[in-house]
Amino acid sequence: GENVEQHPSTLSVQEGDSAVIKCTYSDSASNYFPWYKQELGKRPQLIIDIRSNVGEKKDQRIAVTLNKTAKHFSLHITETQPEDSAVYFCAAPKGEYGNKLVFGAGTILRVKS
Amino acid sequence: DAGVIQSPRHEVTEMGQEVTLRCKPISGHDYLFWYRQTMMRGLELLIYFNNNVPIDDSGMPEDRFSAKMPNASFSTLKIQPSEPRDSAVYFCASSLRSLYNEQFFGPGTRLTVL
Repeated sequence: GENVEQHPSTLSVQEGDSAVIKCTYSDSASNYFPWYKQELGKRPQLIIDIRSNVGEKKDQRIAVTLNKTAKHFSLHITETQPEDSAVYFCAAPKGEYGNKLVFGAGTILRVKS
Repeated sequence: DAGVIQSPRHEVTEMGQEVTLRCKPISGHDYLFWYRQTMMRGLELLIYFNNNVPIDDSGMPEDRFSAKMPNASFSTLKIQPSEPRDSAVYFCASSLRSLYNEQFFGPGTRLTVL
């Protein structure tokens, strides 16, 4: 996606290890940063999001951190399980008034058991 | 609620034919989005509507693509004439009250243009 860079493009971890995916954005006025998970052959689904008034948000094994100064945000998955294997997309606002959401290119996460 | 509904789920057509994809958003949602997903280009926003009005169509590839939302419960994405490079999965999504709330995606339409 334009102006939203996502890394790495593929990530392979051992079950139980942690996984980190990072996204950078260009518009300093951006204030909403969601993460979507897409399992093979399925639709994208929101797993967590963060707004610019907080630096970190957690939901069980998933956390997102935001660094507004550096303009990047990261998804952290702890104690990975095989069912975490999927494609993960970040997104950030773009446009003159931040009036559209642009998705990153996606990260293929593979959890090896 | 049944979630976002899309039809057809699969469409195979020949180059030059007209294709119409349909979407029913979640009842009460006032934002509707059309996305295209391919391996090469990822998940691209084509167009989105707020209260049935198109807000941003800058992602629509060219004049062969058009989208309408005649009422709050129905939207169409039309490709005329279709080309092989239009082959992709097309997702419709809807959200409540804001562009910056959770988007609920439909199951997608897998389009193959021969």
